[in-house]
Amino acid sequence: DTGVSQNPRHKITKRGQNVTFRCDPISEHNRLYWYRQTLGQGPEFLTYFQNEAQLEKSRLLSDRFSAERPKGSFSTLEIQRTEQGDSAMYLCASSLERGSTFGSGTRLTVV
Amino acid sequence: GNSVTQMEGPVTLSEEAFLTINCTYTATGYPSLFWYVQYPGEGLQLLLKATKADDKGSNKGFEATYRKETTSFHLEKGSVQVSDSAVYFCALRRSNAGNMLTFGGGTRLMVKP
Repeated sequence: DTGVSQNPRHKITKRGQNVTFRCDPISEHNRLYWYRQTLGQGPEFLTYFQNEAQLEKSRLLSDRFSAERPKGSFSTLEIQRTEQGDSAMYLCASSLERGSTFGSGTRLTVV
Repeated sequence: GNSVTQMEGPVTLSEEAFLTINCTYTATGYPSLFWYVQYPGEGLQLLLKATKADDKGSNKGFEATYRKETTSFHLEKGSVQVSDSAVYFCALRRSNAGNMLTFGGGTRLMVKP
């Protein structure tokens, strides 16, 4: 499978816990993006990497959120001290120059 | 700033009906425009795109024309099928570095046999 892979597909966590999601992009893609999609809304940009460098972060990315792409390949998105408002679908996308390919997302439910 | 506005759904049509989903945008510079489709339980898939004014994107019977004068990129299909039932997202890509996408809120299409 040469698509964008995200794990886990679903995550249920208690409020206040930390969670971490993983994204494996298409191997030759140097750009990687994280988006958040809440129910009934379009995806909203969170952050962007070119290779291992995090080049832009949205205002949506509070201090509780951190993303890494240590070797310019896979990426992780961590949310600390989760809140119910963090419940959403977290989408990862990768691209080379133009045209992003999206993964199936990780659905987070904070109870 | 950049923004995308889509008509609210759901849009309910009978099979073989004509489809239009309106999309207008606000952007600085000259963005590229996209339509993505999200089938139930699946991720976003690129449906079609247009990179400059008057370009027409097309795929699987869907079409959209980049209209700079009206800042619009309406999605059309002449004859919808039940299998077209999905959520459709209009998006723009900023012309500066990064290629991040700005999405509209999505329009749910339901096609009845």
